[in-house]
Amino acid sequence: DADVTQTPRNRITKTGKRIMLECSQTKGHDRMYWYRQDPGLGLRLIYYSFDVKDINKGEISDGYSVSRQAQAKFSLSLESAIPNQTALYFCATSDLGSTDTQYFGPGTRLTVL
Amino acid sequence: AQKITQTQPGMFVQEKEAVTLDCTYDTSDQSYGLFWYKQPSSGEMIFLIYQGSYDEQNATEGRYSLNFQKARKSANLVISASQLGDSAMYFCAPRKGDKVIFGPGTSLSVIP
Repeated sequence: DADVTQTPRNRITKTGKRIMLECSQTKGHDRMYWYRQDPGLGLRLIYYSFDVKDINKGEISDGYSVSRQAQAKFSLSLESAIPNQTALYFCATSDLGSTDTQYFGPGTRLTVL
Repeated sequence: AQKITQTQPGMFVQEKEAVTLDCTYDTSDQSYGLFWYKQPSSGEMIFLIYQGSYDEQNATEGRYSLNFQKARKSANLVISASQLGDSAMYFCAPRKGDKVIFGPGTSLSVIP
């Protein structure tokens, strides 16, 4: 089984709809992250959480919200989706240690019509 | 904002040859780390290798190694004995504080 899972893997929705992307991990890591990737670009950080009671905005948090329901679960919500939120979304986890390496889920491809 | 430069948008290499992917970054931090990730056409992000700024030796991991030049703020990824499965996007990602900043990536195509 994958260590970091994301649901759904693909989603098509309409402008104005609320949508939630979910991330679960079995790695036992405290830190979790949400990124988006636009075609031809690197990843940009949306939100991150270093433990259940810690939520931080990233580079591009406007239009998004998150919830850290448990150590293993971190969800990303788009309250009112718009077409320019069409992107590939990644969840990642890391464990504060010597390298704090981030390990990624498989990604969710979101299309907003 | 931290600037990461991967000057080669597209690279080609013959199978079994070695290839170097360039990365330079702009940081005033004295202590930092740098990651390289691979993204094949299937889309997943795969961690390849890490270099700490205080590591005295260049990092190696199997066929991957880093040519780390701290004074020049560059950390080029060297892939030896290229395989067809190495065809992918490669992202340089230095750490800035608690965050990792991703470069724009380099596309590598391995030619049979």
